[in-house]
Amino acid sequence: QSVLTQPPSVSEAPRQRVTISCSGSSSNIGKNAVNWYQQLPGKAPKLLVYFDDLLPSGVSDRFSGSRSGTSASLAISGLQSEDEADYYCAAWDDSLNGLVFGGGTKLSVL
Amino acid sequence: QVTLRESGPALVKPTQTLTLTCTFSGFSLSTSGVCVSWIRQPPGKALEWLALIDWDDDKYYSTSLKTRLTISKDTSKNQVVLTMTKMDPVDTATYYCARIRSGRPYDFDYWGQGTLVTVSS
Repeated sequence: QSVLTQPPSVSEAPRQRVTISCSGSSSNIGKNAVNWYQQLPGKAPKLLVYFDDLLPSGVSDRFSGSRSGTSASLAISGLQSEDEADYYCAAWDDSLNGLVFGGGTKLSVL
Repeated sequence: QVTLRESGPALVKPTQTLTLTCTFSGFSLSTSGVCVSWIRQPPGKALEWLALIDWDDDKYYSTSLKTRLTISKDTSKNQVVLTMTKMDPVDTATYYCARIRSGRPYDFDYWGQGTLVTVSS
């Protein structure tokens, strides 16, 4: 059972927009910024969004992040087949004094 | 160019101690704000954060695994070592090390390719 809650899976058609939610608590998302990672099949995770809504160099602007209260979201617009991957949110937890991940969301592009 | 590479045994027996080494290049763990962390992923399951060590030698551990983990660094060798005691089959996973470039929000901007550790007798 992960500290951060994500939907196990989402699906959407190509060229559409999808959002992935990440729900936490006052000790993690309520106080600390959220980072998002993309993990393609058989690969190491890749930083996708950091500090809630910042994109690392080289990441497509089709990806965007937001945080409000104790929840965060990752949005992907203009879906492409190459976006099929697992997506994880993560944040520091002040109560646990450690980092916590979400359970991951598998994105299928229909 | 930042790179990280995990190394260690592919197979360990139950009750044994696992020692993993993360060898990195392209940055220094003595630079203010820089950290290295370990994360694992059981086959088909989610990422799980294990431990973190920062430039100032402060260490943080997963609450659930704290009693079994030790993280340390050798700045001169550009290495971070993780030991995990009392290995069990449920610890079978791919173990990753990753860099944090500047403290909070502790975003992992570079990852190693991971090393699969199987726990079996």
